[in-house]
Amino acid sequence: GAVVSQHPSRVICKSGTSVKIECRSLDFQATTMFWYRQFPKQSLMLMATSNEGSKATYEQGVEKDKFLINHASLTLSTLTVTSAHPEDSSFYICSAGIDGYTFGSGTRLTVV
Amino acid sequence: AQSVTQPDIHITVSEGASLELRCNYSYGATPYLFWYVQSPGQGLQLLLKYFSGDTLVQGIKGFEAEFKRSQSSFNLRKPSVHWSDAAEYFCAVGGGDTGFQKLVFGTGTRLLVSP
Repeated sequence: GAVVSQHPSRVICKSGTSVKIECRSLDFQATTMFWYRQFPKQSLMLMATSNEGSKATYEQGVEKDKFLINHASLTLSTLTVTSAHPEDSSFYICSAGIDGYTFGSGTRLTVV
Repeated sequence: AQSVTQPDIHITVSEGASLELRCNYSYGATPYLFWYVQSPGQGLQLLLKYFSGDTLVQGIKGFEAEFKRSQSSFNLRKPSVHWSDAAEYFCAVGGGDTGFQKLVFGTGTRLLVSP
């Protein structure tokens, strides 16, 4: 079955620094991947759609300059949180899929 | 626009008892419907999905869900709950002509299992 790998699972960074999160499709090619954000005890909200070889599409209210998305290959999308602040602390999770909409294991970002 | 409602924030069920988690959706066309389970601090595991065909869908871990178009519902059921089923359950809806569409999630239902 489709497997999506996300790395790192946890990261702590200082305020003002940038953090990169990777999302890989291990056994299939993904022209499109999705990035979601989940606040504690809340649902998942779509942040952006990552398109291989083209610019990402961001949802309304998501700062594209803060959340940089790169989808340089058919198996890898990266989300970079730039100049991170404590309010960016959250659980970030990616998804891709052939027909099952498989999710990665998520990344817990803590900005201190 | 698509939307999903999970009316129950949390539900407590005795181990061995049956379970039904409610999900209502709003979508203009035929929806793609999903149920996911999430354990604390973990990613999402797909339990089952409905795209078309038989409206009663079987999933993993003994779960099933029934698509009822007339009620815009996709309720999740399990005949006998195990303590390991305690987790957060999310219903989601997607759709479109291609397979790669973004999902809209409900707010989730936390399942607690009592001894």
